[in-house]
This record gives sequence, structure tokens and C-alpha cells, in this order.
Amino acid sequence: DAGVIQSPRHEVTEMGQEVTLRCKPISGHNSLFWYRQTMMRGLELLIYFNNNVPIDDSGMPEDRFSAKMPNASFSTLKIQPSEPRDSAVYFCASTPGGRPYEQYFGPGTRLTVT
Amino acid sequence: QQQVKQSPQSLIVQKGGISIINCAYENTAFDYFPWYQQFPGKGPALLIAIRPDVSEKKEGRFTISFNKSAKQFSLHIMDSQPGDSATYFCAARGGGGGADGLTFGKGTHLIIQP
Repeated sequence: DAGVIQSPRHEVTEMGQEVTLRCKPISGHNSLFWYRQTMMRGLELLIYFNNNVPIDDSGMPEDRFSAKMPNASFSTLKIQPSEPRDSAVYFCASTPGGRPYEQYFGPGTRLTVT
Repeated sequence: QQQVKQSPQSLIVQKGGISIINCAYENTAFDYFPWYQQFPGKGPALLIAIRPDVSEKKEGRFTISFNKSAKQFSLHIMDSQPGDSATYFCAARGGGGGADGLTFGKGTHLIIQP
């Protein structure tokens, strides 16, 4: 199994630009989570989906952030417009239906906004 | 509001010693308490987990101790090895209302000296 796949692994962009992060969950998993990791705030849950439906987006910091899951094998997290304070590592995680307590994390996308 | 408090922030242990990391939580609706291990440049990986109806769980050199009345739980790493050097996060799942995402502690940077 390839595990959770995220792209790009690194992204450097200028303030004001649109950024799109991508995630492919493990095949057969039915829940997907987006987390953000910073030194100051640690790991924070942004949003999660069950069976492609957004369940809880209360962690999304602002309207500049949006997430979609058009099908079971793909999700995106978009930031528009990006700001320097959005610089962080963004992780995607997925969970198997039979074991909803086990979250498998991807390698993350390191985002730098200058 | 920090719902899961983790200590210490950093820890240095001699090879062969016991590493102990502590966490405390506030929300009694949490129903699952995992520990994650993260190496530099990688996503967190599930290490071991416990439910609140169990006081202890052991897997190899890793043990979780859980005190429901005190709302505390801890990770013990026996016979610590240099390969255990990583950042460890405690987490809690749930919190009522069908919340499936994890709330993480701030992490402990563990160094095992050879």
C-alpha cells in the first residue's frame, strides 16, 4: 500500500497568491482529515470528511481556506489569498471504515508564504 | 483553550533508560487516547492507543498508563534506544457531537543518548 499521498511536498509562494494542496487517501479509507502543524500552535485539525462529505470545518481559520473532496480518492485544501501567517506544514490523514480510531498521516506539504 | 496538555516539552534519556511523557485532558467526552511518533520531515505515525475503560496497555517496549479519575495518561518507553529519538504527541479523540478529529498535545522532543 502506498500510504497517504500528498502533493506538492514543498510549496513557496508570494503573499496574495492562491495555493492548492492535494491529498490522495489510502484506498478503502472513508474518512479524511486535514491538519496544520506550526511551532507555535502544534498540530491543529482544520476539517474532516466522512464518505466525501464535510463533517466539521470549525478548525478552518478563515474564509480564505476551503477544502473539497470530489470523490473517495482525492481531496484539496485551497488558500486564497495566501498570507505569511499561513506558512506551516499541512498534513492529510485518512482512516479505515472498520477502525475509525486509527489515523494514517501523509508526509505533509511544507508551505512557505513570503 | 488547550484541551490536552503535554509535558515535558523536551526530554533527554540515556540508552537503556525509561522515557516517561505525561498528558492531561479536560474534556471527559474524549473516548480514545492515541500516541503518535514523528520523525523530522515525516508525518505522525500511530504508536499505541488506549480507551478510557482500560488502565494500562503494553505493546513491546511501549506502555500507556491511564488514570480516568485524574484525567491523565502517560507513555512509558522501556529500554529506550537511540532510534526512539523523535517527537511524541499524545492526542484525544471525540469530545461529543460526533467529533472524529484528534486534539493533540504540543509534543515532546525525546533524545536518547547512546
